[in-house]
Amino acid sequence: DAGVIQSPRHEVTEMGQEVTLRCKPISGHDYLFWYRQTMMRGLELLIYFNNNVPIDDSGMPEDRFSAKMPNASFSTLKIQPSEPRDSAVYFCASSRTGVIEKLFFGSGTQLSVL
Amino acid sequence: KNEVEQSPQNLTAQEGEFITINCSYSVGISALHWLQQHPGGGIVSLFMLSSGKKKHGRLIATINIQEKHSSLHITASHPRDSAVYICAASFGNEKLTFGTGTRLTIIP
Repeated sequence: DAGVIQSPRHEVTEMGQEVTLRCKPISGHDYLFWYRQTMMRGLELLIYFNNNVPIDDSGMPEDRFSAKMPNASFSTLKIQPSEPRDSAVYFCASSRTGVIEKLFFGSGTQLSVL
Repeated sequence: KNEVEQSPQNLTAQEGEFITINCSYSVGISALHWLQQHPGGGIVSLFMLSSGKKKHGRLIATINIQEKHSSLHITASHPRDSAVYICAASFGNEKLTFGTGTRLTIIP
């Protein structure tokens, strides 16, 4: 298996633009997590899905953020409109049974909003 | 409040030394993770523990449920072990609370 695949690796955009981050989890993994990492706050959970259904989105900072999982092999995290404070590394991770087993992380998307 | 604290924040050691990184948490947990983040930024899950001890190569992770404490040990440390090590705890749900990380530097 290729592991969790995220794209793009780097994204530079201007304030106000729409940004879409993509994630392909490992096949057979029922849980998908979106995390954000910043220098100030470290790693934070934004949202997670179980069997393609969003379960907890309480970590999504505001309505500008949305996430979807239309099928078991694809998820998106969208920011519209983007702001400079959204600059961070966004990680996607997946697992078979949630956090009671190891998580597999994608390589992350480094987002810079100018 | 669900909290996770790591120590030390930074650790520099000579190649070959035995390394210990500590993680304490505030209340009962259902799972504790140790993660490794290399300078390139990628995150690798090293261990998930709910009790006892796990070993993989030169890495050993232990957890003491009564004392609410976990340790990550590295034997015969090597410069390639230089990374940030992060512990993260689940307090009964799927939301991990992350420690602030320990930056380990191994000098040849």
